[in-house]
Amino acid sequence: QKEVEQNSGPLSVPEGAIASLNCTYSDRVSQSFFWYRQYSGKSPELIMSIYSNGDKEDGRFTAQLNKASQYVSLLIRDSQPSDSATYLCAVKSSGTYKYIFGTGTRLKVLA
Amino acid sequence: DAGVTQSPTHLIKTRGQHVTLRCSPISGHKSVSWYQQVLGQGPQFIFQYYEKEERGRGNFPDRFSARQFPNYSSELNVNALLLGDSALYLCASSYFTAGNTGELFFGEGSRLTVL
Repeated sequence: QKEVEQNSGPLSVPEGAIASLNCTYSDRVSQSFFWYRQYSGKSPELIMSIYSNGDKEDGRFTAQLNKASQYVSLLIRDSQPSDSATYLCAVKSSGTYKYIFGTGTRLKVLA
Repeated sequence: DAGVTQSPTHLIKTRGQHVTLRCSPISGHKSVSWYQQVLGQGPQFIFQYYEKEERGRGNFPDRFSARQFPNYSSELNVNALLLGDSALYLCASSYFTAGNTGELFFGEGSRLTVL
């Protein structure tokens, strides 16, 4: 079982729709959770972090964390073609300095 | 403010050679991490340095080494290059303290091709 799992996609959504990206993790002591966006040929760019159970909203983005289910998700409202990218989920456990990344989900927003 | 800067951005080496990659963190950040990203995969942790000391090492062979300088910049060295070392090498800085998990901010990366 991989430590951080994401569906590789591609996930295709029409412009203006809500894109839902999911991530599960295996280490129950994980404390910190991050979503990154990576355009083809570029480096990862931090979208948001979440540390507590529940929802965290930032503009069109909402991160949702459920530690009991070991599940973190990212919702993108009013998806735009410019949101087309690979979205990486990253997890950090307490007591370590290592951030573990999933393989990413490729999102395609269709105009 | 300048972000994380890395150099060189692209380089081509042959098997058996050595490479040095450089990174300058965001001003005020004392932690630097190195990650390797192979095409189609997520970044894999190589090293983390904080206050010039190695704080973590990933599952990479001893051919990989790094150091952090007094100004918090960092170098990643890879000896005896193999074809499988071809990847995007990412440097990330964070405002990391003992009690703060910190968010990673990545540079643009150094794309290494080994022929």
